[in-house]
Amino acid sequence: AQSVTQLGSHVSVSEGALVLLRCNYSSSVPPYLFWYVQYPNQGLQLLLKYTSAATLVKGINGFEAEFKKSETSFHLTKPSAHMSDAAEYFCAVSVHNTDKLIFGTGTRLQVFP
Amino acid sequence: GAGVSQSPSNKVTEKGKDVELRCDPISGHTALYWYRQSLGQGLEFLIYFQGNSAPDKSGLPSDRFSAERTGGSVSTLTIQRTQQEDSAVYLCASSRSGTGGTEQYFGPGTRLTVT
Repeated sequence: AQSVTQLGSHVSVSEGALVLLRCNYSSSVPPYLFWYVQYPNQGLQLLLKYTSAATLVKGINGFEAEFKKSETSFHLTKPSAHMSDAAEYFCAVSVHNTDKLIFGTGTRLQVFP
Repeated sequence: GAGVSQSPSNKVTEKGKDVELRCDPISGHTALYWYRQSLGQGLEFLIYFQGNSAPDKSGLPSDRFSAERTGGSVSTLTIQRTQQEDSAVYLCASSRSGTGGTEQYFGPGTRLTVT
């Protein structure tokens, strides 16, 4: 069965600092992996996805993630945090042959001025 | 074009009452999903539709929960005899296909509060 684990329920960074949100996955088949962002009182928005093409995936708002099979990881990064990046971020894996998503527990990102 | 819409946006109900939550997916999207987001459980999958059929109902927490989809479009999630533990945000999503790797587009959710 597929699953994802997000390390760190809360991450705080200063504006302009590197953002690193961790996600490890477990899957018996090649996974599809996603990062979604949820701003306060809003639905989820796709940041980026990995579907077995390039291992380095670029998304919206300057975010990117690298698929590392050897480490079973799909960590999300952004070189320089903005105040507007404050939100909750969810890593998810897609169950094989469907789009059913299994989500991690989420990481709340705070950005301080 | 229009995104996924859900109604109502907020619903307060008394314990024991039935509620219906509605989802209007993006036009042309064949796959539709219901998820539940609560403080204690995070984001949980409930049910998945491909067209009007539901090949995966494995996430429905009890037989008080049911869902249907008509005309390959609108879906209704019904909760009978609501309990306080049903309080959560219910999210609907749709995608062009259900074959893996396609983006799901989420609605804003329905916040259900059972008193």
